[in-house]
Amino acid sequence: EAGVVQSPRYKIIEKKQPVAFWCNPISGHNTLYWYRQNLGQGPELLIRYENEEAVDDSQLPKDRFSAERLKGVDSTLKIQPAELGDSAVYLCASSLDGRMGRDEQFFGPGTRLTVL
Amino acid sequence: SQQGEEDPQALSIQEGENATMNCSYKTSINNLQWYRQNSGRGLVHLILIRSNEREKHSGRLRVTLDTSKKSSSLLITASRAADTASYYCATSPKYGNKLVFGAGTILRVKS
Repeated sequence: EAGVVQSPRYKIIEKKQPVAFWCNPISGHNTLYWYRQNLGQGPELLIRYENEEAVDDSQLPKDRFSAERLKGVDSTLKIQPAELGDSAVYLCASSLDGRMGRDEQFFGPGTRLTVL
Repeated sequence: SQQGEEDPQALSIQEGENATMNCSYKTSINNLQWYRQNSGRGLVHLILIRSNEREKHSGRLRVTLDTSKKSSSLLITASRAADTASYYCATSPKYGNKLVFGAGTILRVKS
């Protein structure tokens, strides 16, 4: 069974440029998460989807970050424009039932973003 | 914000020894989960313990949960070099629909 797929694995851009990350969750998983992990820290949730609906985006900096999950499968996270402080690893995860954090999450390998 | 705090921040042991990591949290929880992250790889789920459970085992892993002290511990017995990784506890708060990760413990197992 294929795991969570993310692309690209690495991205280097200059500040003020746009960037997009793509995620394909495990087949059959209704819940999809985007996390940001800064160096030496644990992941922090940016947004959670239940099927197509964003049910928790309270930590998403909405002035520059946007996300979508069309048809309740793949998802894209975009930053426009990127700032130096956005350098981090962006992780996508999926789970069967994300309600109340009751089950395990399966993580992709992440995209390491460097903003110069 | 991160609810869980792992202790110690870093741990270095010899192969074959046991490793113990602790996690403390602040609010009531539904469950607590432990994850492992190897260098350059994604996180892997290790074990989930529910708020009404006190101890759980999985292979060489043993997790305890003390809800009165709001703390959990992860014990890895007979450690191997392949156990070298960062270990994170993640809590599912009782009131809220998210998983909150701590800052992690870096474990190094020397062969």
